[in-house]
Amino acid sequence: DIQMTQSPSTLSASVGDRVTITCRASQSISSWLAWYQQKPGKAPKLLIYKASNLHSGVPSRFSGSGSGTEFTLTISSLQPDDFATYYCQQYSNYYTFGQGTKLDIK
Amino acid sequence: QLQLQESGSGLVKPSQTLSLTCAVSGGSLSTGAYSWSWIRQTPGRGLEWIGYIYHTGSTYYSPSLESRVTISIDRSKNQFSLNLTSVTAADTAVYYCVRGGTAPTYFDFWGQGTLVTVSS
Repeated sequence: DIQMTQSPSTLSASVGDRVTITCRASQSISSWLAWYQQKPGKAPKLLIYKASNLHSGVPSRFSGSGSGTEFTLTISSLQPDDFATYYCQQYSNYYTFGQGTKLDIK
Repeated sequence: QLQLQESGSGLVKPSQTLSLTCAVSGGSLSTGAYSWSWIRQTPGRGLEWIGYIYHTGSTYYSPSLESRVTISIDRSKNQFSLNLTSVTAADTAVYYCVRGGTAPTYFDFWGQGTLVTVSS
């Protein structure tokens, strides 16, 4: 199994901040990585696929980068709607998710 | 607008079979470009992909669950289903039905999820 490790587990930030979440794969997954946002009681929503491609309708303040084993999700200027939990997911070999990063208000 | 809606028993006894159905509206299961998955989520194990089915009926399962999982499709009703046998408390989770593309794939449309509790 490919293990996905996110850091940090929790991140406190303020509206307007630039934040970065890291996801590391236990082996190379090329660019087969997606990012999701989940709010309490709701299903995850796709933000980014193939490491850096923005899904339709997702604000441009979200961006993704990386390849191989190290990836980042960046929110350029936090908005109130962005406080949520974020997950990475690899789809190189079957499908596995990171444990999540909870982004909360400082 | 595509919508996925899970339904089924919310309470299952240990050793019995968990059965869920996903009704798809606003799109057809028979479109060849998509896969139809079940994914579950628990506080302890996080998000876990269970398996998916294509409109052809071809299925792919997680190796860790393969011995207990069956996913099937009913094109006439535009729905697909999950059966998970010999359940234990560890199978208690929120179960989502989800659309993806052809493999390898990310998951772009999710149902709202349904909580299934395994308890006597």
